[in-house]
Amino acid sequence: GENVEQHPSTLSVQEGDSAVIKCTYSDSASNYFPWYKQELGKRPQLIIDIRSNVGEKKDQRIAVTLNKTAKHFSLHITETQPEDSAVYFCAASKSTGTASKLTFGTGTRLQVTL
Amino acid sequence: DAGITQSPRHKVTETGTPVTLRCHQTENHRYMYWYRQDPGHGLRLIHYSYGVKDTDKGEVSDGYSVSRSKTEDFLLTLESATSSQTSVYFCAISESLGGNEKLFFGSGTQLSVL
Repeated sequence: GENVEQHPSTLSVQEGDSAVIKCTYSDSASNYFPWYKQELGKRPQLIIDIRSNVGEKKDQRIAVTLNKTAKHFSLHITETQPEDSAVYFCAASKSTGTASKLTFGTGTRLQVTL
Repeated sequence: DAGITQSPRHKVTETGTPVTLRCHQTENHRYMYWYRQDPGHGLRLIHYSYGVKDTDKGEVSDGYSVSRSKTEDFLLTLESATSSQTSVYFCAISESLGGNEKLFFGSGTQLSVL
């Protein structure tokens, strides 16, 4: 089955700096790559996703890049703010038109300091 | 919140007792999922459902069973709870029409097995 590795496990940046979280996946057939943000004590929430036919996607201060050849994808957060502090999870799955069986990474705890 | 309600929100039980967690959705989504979240493991799929009475195993299904007798309800049962099943359990749904990979999570159930 799919295996997703995520690094780093913790990341501390100063407010205004950029943060990058990286994930690798093992199954070359995977074609859907979402990122979830989980604030302390809350549910995971989808913040951005990308499909394998696209190399990059942006939404305001966040962007995701995908390198299919190397089987890795990354989350980029620019101009970080304290409210960006959370745990971020990457995931991967094969889009089959049926159930979404996502395989998640182990998470990155991002701390944005003032 | 995509109309997802989990109950109970917290439960403490003893080893060997049966436990049932309930997920209720109000928006007629076809696909429903149960994940568990543990430190260092991210989110792992336990079971999922693709319709009434249609369920299948995820990557960590041992010790768990599920049932879906109505579209709106997806039950997760631990037949004989063990301490290794202490975890946070999240129910999720995915959209039925287009882009059905996007998962929306419930608020979670914190289960402690003593």
